[in-house]
Amino acid sequence: QVRLEESGGGVVQPGRSLRLSCAASTFSFSDYTFHWVRQAPGKGLEWVALISSDGNTKNFADSVKGRFTISRDNSKNMVYLQLDGLRPDDTALYYCARGRVTIFGVVEFWGQGTLVTVSS
Amino acid sequence: QSVLTQPPSTSGTPGQRVTISCSGGSSNLGSYTVNWYQQLPGTAPRLLMYSNNQRPSGVPDRFSGSKSGTSASLSISGLQSDDEAEYFCAAWDDSLQGFVFGTGTVVIVL
Repeated sequence: QVRLEESGGGVVQPGRSLRLSCAASTFSFSDYTFHWVRQAPGKGLEWVALISSDGNTKNFADSVKGRFTISRDNSKNMVYLQLDGLRPDDTALYYCARGRVTIFGVVEFWGQGTLVTVSS
Repeated sequence: QSVLTQPPSTSGTPGQRVTISCSGGSSNLGSYTVNWYQQLPGTAPRLLMYSNNQRPSGVPDRFSGSKSGTSASLSISGLQSDDEAEYFCAAWDDSLQGFVFGTGTVVIVL
């Protein structure tokens, strides 16, 4: 059974930062790619970032490139998303999701999400 | 931004068959397989179909999928009330080097 639990969301002013965490309980954590996907209120899904199993490949959506960073700690089964320079349009529920071994493998398991609200 | 296009909604009566389309381009559906997700109200997305037509364990065979060229579709036969949800297609995109999602289709059971 794969369980993903996000934390770190909250209300933040424009321009400020947040760090989201994802605690994963999954067999062979270090074998898998992890993703962050967000969903603005009442809107669809938007892929945000991925990190490969070894942490060497980190890809980002154009909308967050240069502002967000992703990292992982394979010794703690944790994935992180650092959100800097937050804007109101970053307001969304942020999901952590587990993919497959390859970075283009299906995004298979999802957490319940953590809500980020950017507002003055 | 969504790159894959889906109809906003579709509906059917219990027992009917509904089909949801997903249209993309050469850098995504034209080159990679499609996955489908079901999102019940107030819940996280759940993988419903992967690699065009493969069902994860626990997904009933009332759900089926296909892909041809840059288009894909998901069909639900024997529609049930608990199929009321939003459905999203998704595929890897070579240009983005990430996943693109569809605009989402709400299925309404009349």
